[in-house]
Amino acid sequence: QTVVTQEPSISVSPGGTVTLTCGLTSGSVSTYYYPSWYQQTPGQAPRTLIYNTNTRSSGVPDRFSGSILEGKAALTITGAQADDECDYYCALYVGSGSSGFGGGTKLTVL
Amino acid sequence: EVQVVESGGGLVQPGGSLRLSCAASGFTFSNYAMSWVRQAPGKGLEWVSGISGGGGATYYADSVKGRFTISRDNSKNTLFLEMNSLRVEDTAVYYCARNLISYWYFDLWGRGTLLTVSS
Repeated sequence: QTVVTQEPSISVSPGGTVTLTCGLTSGSVSTYYYPSWYQQTPGQAPRTLIYNTNTRSSGVPDRFSGSILEGKAALTITGAQADDECDYYCALYVGSGSSGFGGGTKLTVL
Repeated sequence: EVQVVESGGGLVQPGGSLRLSCAASGFTFSNYAMSWVRQAPGKGLEWVSGISGGGGATYYADSVKGRFTISRDNSKNTLFLEMNSLRVEDTAVYYCARNLISYWYFDLWGRGTLLTVSS
């Protein structure tokens, strides 16, 4: 069974740029997996950031961008801010009406 | 206001059953596929089940197949998740999410309802 993978944790300096990735244990991620990204602060519902690989959801600042990098979906945050510190999840369409989430990346801004 | 609101969570013994509901408002409910996504305490998100706008197609994660049943009542703008043979590992916050199948993503989330399975 193919599993969606993410870095468990990543750190970035305030004002810096960071890239989170979303891969598969078997094979490469392409646009056909319709990668999407979600942001979640503790105790809150997820917030949709990116869908269809690189389309920002309404109200999401352009500091957040999505792409495919070397066989993985990627979420890049430029000019990181303190309130970007939270959990980020990717999701992939894995066929037959099903979606798979990655295990999430805890982003620390310090 | 466009929103979905979950209800029905609670404490259930292992082997028990429970039905979750999700009330939708502010949009044409029957035009959208819907999903349930859960999050165990301190863990990540897990897609559980999805249903087409008309209700004719349903999908399940392997972890709940045969135990959970998703359904909807479009006349009442409500989504359901019937859960049977509950296990301790089903303990989680269950989120209702609107599914945009054109790009296979979740564009609207509820605040969730907590299910605790414990003896």
